[in-house]
Amino acid sequence: KQEVTQIPAALSVPEGENLVLNCSFTDSAIYNLQWFRQDPGKGLTSLLLIQSSQREQTSGRLNASLDKSSGRSTLYIAASQPGDSATYLCAVRRRNYGQNFVFGPGTRLSVLP
Amino acid sequence: GAGVSQSPSNKVTEKGKDVELRCDPISGHTALYWYRQSLGQGLEFLIYFQGNSAPDKSGLPSDRFSAERTGGSVSTLTIQRTQQEDSAVYLCASSQIAGTYNEQFFGPGTRLTVL
Repeated sequence: KQEVTQIPAALSVPEGENLVLNCSFTDSAIYNLQWFRQDPGKGLTSLLLIQSSQREQTSGRLNASLDKSSGRSTLYIAASQPGDSATYLCAVRRRNYGQNFVFGPGTRLSVLP
Repeated sequence: GAGVSQSPSNKVTEKGKDVELRCDPISGHTALYWYRQSLGQGLEFLIYFQGNSAPDKSGLPSDRFSAERTGGSVSTLTIQRTQQEDSAVYLCASSQIAGTYNEQFFGPGTRLTVL
């Protein structure tokens, strides 16, 4: 059974800091991993998608890495801003389970001005 | 371009009533997903549609839940005889499928409250 965990559950940092969010999954048989952000009361916004054959993806101040063999992904946010405050979720698409995605519980990030 | 839209944004109903939730995916996306997000919980997969293939219903929690997708576009999630534990945010997502690439785009969700 695929289980996805995210550490820490919550994080509070001052503006301008670089930070790392962690996502771990128990079954390395995945097609891809996707990072999302969710603002309070809103749906999910896709940030980055990493295919299983890739090791990292970058978009602006965001960089996501994937180490499939160890079952880990990290989301690096550079020069954090108050607008980055949100809950960040990771999700893996499992091989041989069709389109069934498994989501982590999320990390709630607060960037203080 | 237009993203995924869902209606209603909020729904309050009484226990035992039926409800219908609607999802309009991004035009041209062949895949459509429904998820449920309960307070303090992660996202729970409910059902997946892809083109004309039989839907993957493996995540539906009970036979009170059903979903349809008409004409390969709009989808309706129906919950019959609602219970208080059905209260949650119901999220819809769509994606294009190209091999193993399937980036999901989410709608804003429908917040369902069962009194």
